Amino acid sequence: EIVMTQSPASLSVSPGERVTLSCRASQSVGTNLAWYQQKPGQAPRLLIYHASTGATGIPARFSGSGSGTEFTLTISSLQSEDFAVYYCQQYNDWPPLTFGGGTKVEIK
Amino acid sequence: QAQLVESGGGVVQPGTSLRLSCAASGFTFSSYGMHWVRQAPGKGLNWVAVISYDGSKKYYADSVKGRFTISRDNSKNTLYLQMNSLRAEDTAVYYCAKDPLMSAYYYYYMDVWGKGTTVTVSS
Repeated sequence: EIVMTQSPASLSVSPGERVTLSCRASQSVGTNLAWYQQKPGQAPRLLIYHASTGATGIPARFSGSGSGTEFTLTISSLQSEDFAVYYCQQYNDWPPLTFGGGTKVEIK
Repeated sequence: QAQLVESGGGVVQPGTSLRLSCAASGFTFSSYGMHWVRQAPGKGLNWVAVISYDGSKKYYADSVKGRFTISRDNSKNTLYLQMNSLRAEDTAVYYCAKDPLMSAYYYYYMDVWGKGTTVTVSS
């Protein structure tokens, strides 16, 4: 099973700041990685797939990069609606499909 | 637009059974693989199971293998999760989600999610 590790577990950020979230895989997943956003009481929403492709309707301030075992989700200028938990998920080797533990982005 | 609506959750005792349903609309349900993903209270996301577009292939997380069964009725645009021998650790919000690949026996990510249904296993 591929273990996905996200860091940090949480961070406090001011609106307008640039945010970088990390996701590490226990073995190479190529670019078979997705990112999701989840707000309290809501279902997850797909942000990025294939490591760097934005999903339909996702603002351009969200971008993904990386390959192999190291991945990054960047929010170029954090908006108030971006405060949420972010998860990465690998789909290179399954079953099982595996998620990271999440990074909570809070208001500073 | 694509929509998924789960139902069937509730409060049940350990050792009992429950069947979840997920009604799909706004897309050709019979062409896509479908997943169940769960989230325990205050915890992260955990993949539970996936079924191919035609129902011929099914895969499960080790934690539910032998207890849960995923199935689908393409004539009714509905996905199911039969959960038997429920345990306290099965307590979670259960989401159904659509895979983006059409007519494939390979699975990727989840591009459409339902709002979830809550299952509580408690004596």
